[in-house]
Amino acid sequence: KNQVEQSPQSLIILEGKNCTLQCNYTVSPFSNLRWYKQDTGRGPVSLTIMTFSENTKSNGRYTATLDADTKQSSLHITASQLSDSASYICVVSAYSSNTGKLIFGQGTTLQVKP
Amino acid sequence: EAGVTQFPSHSVIEKGQTVTLRCDPISGHDNLYWYRRVMGKEIKFLLHFVKESKQDESGMPNNRFLAERTGGTYSTLKVQPAELEDSGVYFCASSLISGRGGNEQFFGPGTRLTVL
Repeated sequence: KNQVEQSPQSLIILEGKNCTLQCNYTVSPFSNLRWYKQDTGRGPVSLTIMTFSENTKSNGRYTATLDADTKQSSLHITASQLSDSASYICVVSAYSSNTGKLIFGQGTTLQVKP
Repeated sequence: EAGVTQFPSHSVIEKGQTVTLRCDPISGHDNLYWYRRVMGKEIKFLLHFVKESKQDESGMPNNRFLAERTGGTYSTLKVQPAELEDSGVYFCASSLISGRGGNEQFFGPGTRLTVL
């Protein structure tokens, strides 16, 4: 069964600190892995997209890693800001020639406190 | 450039009633997707349009749900008759291309549906 699991479920950190979110997946055949940020009341916004051959990708203070052998990914947030408070969702796409179907994790809720 | 828009933002209806949700994708995006998040669960795929054709509707829960995309522009998702378990947030997304896992999908803000 294609699944995406994230940990921790929720996280509270102080402004300026770093944090790392984890994602394990069992999607096969694998196409790519994405991290989305979802603010309350809004739709998910893409942070990074990584294919099988990519080990790391950065987007500003966000750095995602991918280990396709162990089927694990992480999202590292550096020097957190209050605006980083949101839900971070790991999303995996299965390889298919005709569909863009995405498989979502439940998300990690991050709260950054001053 | 306008993003994906959805209407209404909230809808509260009674069990047995009908509700129609609308999604306007980014202009020029042939691919349109519907997703749903029910309380406490992850976002789940419902279906995928390429222009006006249903490419993949494997996620549609049952025949009370009907999605259309006449003319290949905006899409509607009708729930008739609505049941309590249909409550959740319905997201629409669009992308320029699909296939092989797809291109970046841009999400709308969602429609929060509450069935009483």
